[in-house]
Amino acid sequence: DAKTTQPTSMDCAEGRAANLPCNHSTISGNEYVYWYRQIHSQGPQYIIHGLKNNETNEMASLIITEDRKSSTLILPHATLRDTAVYYCIVRVAEDTGRRALTFGSGTRLQVQP
Amino acid sequence: DGGITQSPKYLFRKEGQNVTLSCEQNLNHDAMYWYRQDPGQGLRLIYYSQIVNDFQKGDIAEGYSVSREKKESFPLTVTSAQKNPTAFYLCASSISSPDTQYFGPGTRLTVL
Repeated sequence: DAKTTQPTSMDCAEGRAANLPCNHSTISGNEYVYWYRQIHSQGPQYIIHGLKNNETNEMASLIITEDRKSSTLILPHATLRDTAVYYCIVRVAEDTGRRALTFGSGTRLQVQP
Repeated sequence: DGGITQSPKYLFRKEGQNVTLSCEQNLNHDAMYWYRQDPGQGLRLIYYSQIVNDFQKGDIAEGYSVSREKKESFPLTVTSAQKNPTAFYLCASSISSPDTQYFGPGTRLTVL
């Protein structure tokens, strides 16, 4: 799986958009970009994933650059409950026999009132 | 109400005792996973199972054992051979590739 690089921490004002970047310059053509988040002392929560096109769901939007070497997770209207560690993960699409996710250190997002 | 349950939420054991952590899912997922998380760190894979009666070691399997006798259940035993068992343990499950893994609430194990 390709390595990802994320900022260690970010702050965002409540009600504003939170834009979390992720670099994955060694991504392969068959690798998806996944985003999860983990609120303190809870299990990680799936947010969104994508391959090439931008994606949107009820939680967030995922913007992937044309060369696929970086992406941005957008929380359109951040709330205090969005304070968490956000993980960007790159994962192959095919079943390789080992289907576990590799979580790095992630970005600690602090939403300020 | 579908999901993954882990019990108990907090567990205390004396050093040298084996302990089994429960993980149950009613999502009809084939694959299940156990991860360990230490303070301020990411998740590390202990064991995973793609199908009933089959499981594979992850990155840090030493001192742990698992079984997968039923599709819904994937219990993890932390044995006395695990040198530093105090950690937050997370169970997850997924359907076929590409993976979207769904996690349980976790069990925080403290060995005294």
